[in-house]
Amino acid sequence: EPEVTQTPSHQVTQMGQEVILRCVPISNHLYFYWYRQILGQKVEFLVSFYNNEISEKSEIFDDQFSVERPDGSNFTLKIRSTKLEDSAMYFCASRGRTTGNQPQHFGDGTRLSIL
Amino acid sequence: GNSVTQMEGPVTLSEEAFLTINCTYTATGYPSLFWYVQYPGEGLQLLLKATKADDKGSNKGFEATYRKETTSFHLEKGSVQVSDSAVYFCALARMDSSYKLIFGSGTRLLVRP
Repeated sequence: EPEVTQTPSHQVTQMGQEVILRCVPISNHLYFYWYRQILGQKVEFLVSFYNNEISEKSEIFDDQFSVERPDGSNFTLKIRSTKLEDSAMYFCASRGRTTGNQPQHFGDGTRLSIL
Repeated sequence: GNSVTQMEGPVTLSEEAFLTINCTYTATGYPSLFWYVQYPGEGLQLLLKATKADDKGSNKGFEATYRKETTSFHLEKGSVQVSDSAVYFCALARMDSSYKLIFGSGTRLLVRP
């Protein structure tokens, strides 16, 4: 069964540094998402992406965040200048195109630790 | 706004016990409802879904029925196994909001032999 893959599984970064989290969605999917889960808290929506542009973003997704689909395969989340509070598990998800109620498929996540 | 409320965990059961995890939602219109499961050290896996009122989603012995009159989507399983130990998330999605998922806080289930 096709799956969403995320790399790296764990990223440790100094505060203030830039970090890029990578995702390879399922190949025939067209809708892409990033979520995050701070330790012990609920999973929160960050951003959705369709047709090479952001379709919706949350209040969390401020100017420090950006997303890109550079080559038709990868889907990346960049945090420009990381803060301690960015430490979390980040999940990528993708969804198929057939009908609106197709479920999202998630990757295993990237654990981001900011020091 | 849209939100999902789940019962607090952890829920601790003995093997073969009956499981219920309560989930209620607040949303305008007709959201789709989901249960996702997160096993230790892994990502979120879709467990089951329902897209309209009175639909019943089922998978691996788990069931949940979309109850619009009570705005609920409770997860049930007749006989749990140790391997069911995980965190269970209830979620909703609406087509008019990029179909983003809004999650509940998650309920940890621990099944003892």
